[in-house]
Amino acid sequence: DADVTQTPRNRITKTGKRIMLECSQTKGHDRMYWYRQDPGLGLQLIYYSFDVKDINKGEISDGYSVSRQAQAKFSLSLESAIPNQTALYFCATSPPPYNEQFFGPGTRLTVL
Amino acid sequence: AQSVTQLDSQVPVFEEAPVELRCNYSSSVSVYLFWYVQYPNQGLQLLLKYLSGSTLVESINGFEAEFNKSQTSFHLRKPSVHISDTAEYFCAVSEDSGGSNYKLTFGKGTLLTVNP
Repeated sequence: DADVTQTPRNRITKTGKRIMLECSQTKGHDRMYWYRQDPGLGLQLIYYSFDVKDINKGEISDGYSVSRQAQAKFSLSLESAIPNQTALYFCATSPPPYNEQFFGPGTRLTVL
Repeated sequence: AQSVTQLDSQVPVFEEAPVELRCNYSSSVSVYLFWYVQYPNQGLQLLLKYLSGSTLVESINGFEAEFNKSQTSFHLRKPSVHISDTAEYFCAVSEDSGGSNYKLTFGKGTLLTVNP
């Protein structure tokens, strides 16, 4: 059973569309993260949240926004998608003492 | 600030040969170290980790990595690889800065291709 789930798993959209990627976790971890993966670049941090009321920008937050609706849910939005946001997106969670992270299966997003 | 360098972007090897995937890190404080594996068209899975204690850590499928503080390295090794080990491998580091540590920094990945 998956502890971190992401929906959708694959999405194709058009330039200018608004899109939301969702992440849910069943472990009760308070910290959650969104990363994007591009070939040859590894993973880069977009946003992270220490709890429902504590949300922070990561390295590459421009063009993205997030919402922590509950401890278990952390959504990533692209208000107006552009082709260079085509990537694999990962959600992750982290429990105390916050020295490791657990990843979801990823969402492959294609912006045409 | 922490950083991770994976010295090889691609490593092709033949089946049953030994392999080493190299990882060096930079940090001014104590660190936690990780290797993640991504099989073709799949998500990221934790392969092994160093948090404390023995500097040699092992995975269930025969990989091992050794934390070398003096050389700031955490190289991944396997004495005999299989076709099924073909995947991309990511080294990652997290700094031990008390309760505020949060950031996992990844290397750019090493694509291991095992040929028959």
